[in-house]
Amino acid sequence: NAGVTQTPKFQVLKTGQSMTLQCAQDMNHNSMYWYRQDPGMGLRLIYYSASEGTTDKGEVPNGYNVSRLNKREFSLRLESAAPSQTSVYFCASFHLQGGEQYFGPGTRLTVT
Amino acid sequence: AQSVTQLDSHVSVSEGTPVLLRCNYSSSYSPSLFWYVQHPNKGLQLLLKYTSAATLVKGINGFEAEFKKSETSFHLTKPSAHMSDAAEYFCVVSSAGTYKYIFGTGTRLKVLA
Repeated sequence: NAGVTQTPKFQVLKTGQSMTLQCAQDMNHNSMYWYRQDPGMGLRLIYYSASEGTTDKGEVPNGYNVSRLNKREFSLRLESAAPSQTSVYFCASFHLQGGEQYFGPGTRLTVT
Repeated sequence: AQSVTQLDSHVSVSEGTPVLLRCNYSSSYSPSLFWYVQHPNKGLQLLLKYTSAATLVKGINGFEAEFKKSETSFHLTKPSAHMSDAAEYFCVVSSAGTYKYIFGTGTRLKVLA
C-alpha cells in the first residue's frame, strides 16, 4: 500500500517548456487535489477533482490544466512554464469517512 | 468564508520544554480542523484532527490540541519537546462535508539542545 505517489521528484524547466506532473493513489479515494507550496504562503489549491470525471478550479488555477485519468490518477500539466511557477507541488487524496487528506511526497519544480 | 491564522511564523523551544503553536480560525459552518507536520523536504503528515467529537484531541507523537469555539482557536501543544519535533506545522480548516482545505501559512518549530 504505497498511499499517494508523485513523479517526478525534481524537475528543471526552461521558460516556455511544458510538462506533466503525475499523481496516483491506491486507497480507493474519490477526491484528489493539486496544491503548490511557496515559502511563507502555506499550501494553495490549484485544482481538485471531487470524483472521477469531474475537475474544478481552486485558488490559483492560471497556467495549469488537469486530467483525472481514472479513479487512481490525477495529473497536472503546465503548458508553457513560467518562472512564477517555480514551487513545490503536492498531490493529495481525500478519505471521506475520516475527513482527512493524504499527501504525496511532492515534486520540486524550478523554472529558469 | 473560511480562514485560518497561525499566529507565529517561527517558534523556538529548548528540548524538554513545552510546545505551544497557536491557530485561530474563522468559519461560517461547523468546521473540521487539522494539524499537519512537514519535516524538511518531505510531504505532509496528519498529526491530529477535530471533527465535532471531543474538543480535546490527541494525536501522534504526544501532540494534542483543544478546540475552543468561544475563542475560535485550535492551538497545538506538547508537554515536552524532542529534537525530532523540529519541522513546519500547518493548521488547516475545512467545513464539515466539504472537500476543500484552507491552510495556514505555517509555523516553523525549532528545538534547541
